[in-house]
Amino acid sequence: QKEVEQDPGPLSVPEGAIVSLNCTYSNSAFQYFMWYRQYSRKGPELLMYTYSSGNKEDGRFTAQVDKSSKYISLFIRDSQPSDSATYLCAMSGGYNTDKLIFGTGTRLQVFP
Amino acid sequence: DSGVTQTPKHLITATGQRVTLRCSPRSGDLSVYWYQQSLDQGLQFLIQYYNGEERAKGNILERFSAQQFPDLHSELNLSSLELGDSALYFCASNEGTSDTDTQYFGPGTRLTVL
Repeated sequence: QKEVEQDPGPLSVPEGAIVSLNCTYSNSAFQYFMWYRQYSRKGPELLMYTYSSGNKEDGRFTAQVDKSSKYISLFIRDSQPSDSATYLCAMSGGYNTDKLIFGTGTRLQVFP
Repeated sequence: DSGVTQTPKHLITATGQRVTLRCSPRSGDLSVYWYQQSLDQGLQFLIQYYNGEERAKGNILERFSAQQFPDLHSELNLSSLELGDSALYFCASNEGTSDTDTQYFGPGTRLTVL
């Protein structure tokens, strides 16, 4: 069993839809949770960063962490075609210098 | 643009050969991380350097090695290349001193082994 599980998709939604992306994990030591967006053949770009449990909102994006369930989510409101990309969840232990463990990524396509 | 640069962008080589990938971290960042992204494995952590010293090791093969130089740029050396080494190789950097810092990724080097 992988430490981080993520549905690979693809997920196809119409423009304006609310998108929900999720990851589950098994390592209770994870403290830092991130969402990266990766366009085709480009480097991952940090979208959201959350420490421990709770919610964080940034514009159209909301990240949620539920440590008791070992479950994290990313919500995208009013999705746009420019949101079409692969979304990777990532997490690490007690320090930023620790390695990041990534999910396999969910491919999202938003069609006009 | 993350501020992390990687060269070359693309590399095509043959099995058995050796290649060197180069990474320049963001200005001020002391920590460099290397990751491999293949279609079937996703993003896998390889190795981390902090201010010239190896700090953490992940799923890095013995045929692979890395180092970080005094000017903080890093090189990843891949030898005795096999077809399965074809992948995107990413470098990431951060200051490496704060719990709230995160990793910033470069554009990657696409390696194709024929």
